[in-house]
Amino acid sequence: GAVVSQHPSRVICKSGTSVKIECRSLDFQATTMFWYRQFPKKSLMLMATSNEGSKATYEQGVEKDKFLINHASLTLSTLTVTSAHPEDSSFYICSVDSLSSTDTQYFGPGTRLTVL
Amino acid sequence: AQSVTQLDSQVPVFEEAPVELRCNYSSSVSVYLFWYVQYPNQGLQLLLKYLSGSTLVKGINGFEAEFNKSQTSFHLRKPSVHISDTAEYFCARSNDYKLSFGAGTTVTVRA
Repeated sequence: GAVVSQHPSRVICKSGTSVKIECRSLDFQATTMFWYRQFPKKSLMLMATSNEGSKATYEQGVEKDKFLINHASLTLSTLTVTSAHPEDSSFYICSVDSLSSTDTQYFGPGTRLTVL
Repeated sequence: AQSVTQLDSQVPVFEEAPVELRCNYSSSVSVYLFWYVQYPNQGLQLLLKYLSGSTLVKGINGFEAEFNKSQTSFHLRKPSVHISDTAEYFCARSNDYKLSFGAGTTVTVRA
């Protein structure tokens, strides 16, 4: 399967600052990536679908201006949490669509965001 | 809405004992089903997937799952667990190229 990395693995920031999280597909050209959010001991919630060269598609209830997604190349998608607040603290995970007909996704290791 | 239900939130099990994690999905004409494992503070790793064909699917680390269309189930099994199998397990189904996840089952393996 595809190898997916995320950077940083952990970030702590002050309330009101913006944080950028990178998701890279290391061995696969990914036209579609996904961003998920996971609360402690909870399942994954899809935030948005990131499409290379076009605007991201956000799930209902996810603030587009709060969570900015940029997918400028076939190997990189970024999620920027703008004006972060403590309630944005969470585990953010990206995945790569394998582009097979089977909807298989390969996941990054996740980024732990803590907003103080 | 297409959904996935994991019936057990926590499953404690002794080392070398068998384990079964239950998953039911909402009925659909066709469905792709997946089991993922998540170790602490890590992303998800694909254990196995059902696409079509044989209803018994074998995955990595000795896991297997059986697709049962009449019962709309996709239960995960391992005949003998190790301490290293302690993790969170997620059942998922595809829905127009997106994945819908169950709530997860925490497996704790004790010596």
